[in-house]
Amino acid sequence: NAGVTQTPKFQVLKTGQSMTLQCAQDMNHEYMSWYRQDPGMGLRLIHYSVGAGITDQGEVPNGYNVSRSTTEDFPLRLLSAAPSQTSVYFCASSSTGTGNTIYFGEGSWLTVV
Amino acid sequence: AQRVTQPEKLLSVFKGAPVELKCNYSYSGSPELFWYVQYSRQRLQLLLRHISRESIKGFTADLNKGETSFHLKKPFAQEEDSAMYYCALLGGATNKLIFGTGTLLAVQP
Repeated sequence: NAGVTQTPKFQVLKTGQSMTLQCAQDMNHEYMSWYRQDPGMGLRLIHYSVGAGITDQGEVPNGYNVSRSTTEDFPLRLLSAAPSQTSVYFCASSSTGTGNTIYFGEGSWLTVV
Repeated sequence: AQRVTQPEKLLSVFKGAPVELKCNYSYSGSPELFWYVQYSRQRLQLLLRHISRESIKGFTADLNKGETSFHLKKPFAQEEDSAMYYCALLGGATNKLIFGTGTLLAVQP
């Protein structure tokens, strides 16, 4: 049971480049989300999904797109990377309903130069 | 507005000393509160949640609705407790976690 798997773990991008951070979970969780972690800011929610075909914006969605074509996968796309998107990104998943544990991936370190 | 406040960015204590990591929240309904821990360059892990009223690795946290607090405590700190600790609030019908800014606990030998 792999849990929540994120790739890549490290990435350096040039300003204006695009890329996709992959996230997959094998726990049949309905709920998936993406956070970014910045010093002094904690974790901030970017986008989330409560099931296949359903996505919604979190606290800091600008500059990011998501899709949820399957229950297992929830990729995060940066269409035109900016230095302000340099951060550590965490994907998370859980079953819906209160009281369920939210599981996090190992994180993806992204640097935009 | 839903908010989680962790007033201390860094808490440095000596091994064997008591630890209290502060967390205050703002939420209009009945909150679900959690403490997550992140060891160096690792993923976040759930440490404990208020509904379980459990003790994990010697840590406890009690929800005080009157003071809207959920402070994390441990009577005797260990060096392996050094990590970043995040208090989080689960608000609403979805599983959106709202995090505080985190407190870095450094336990000195």
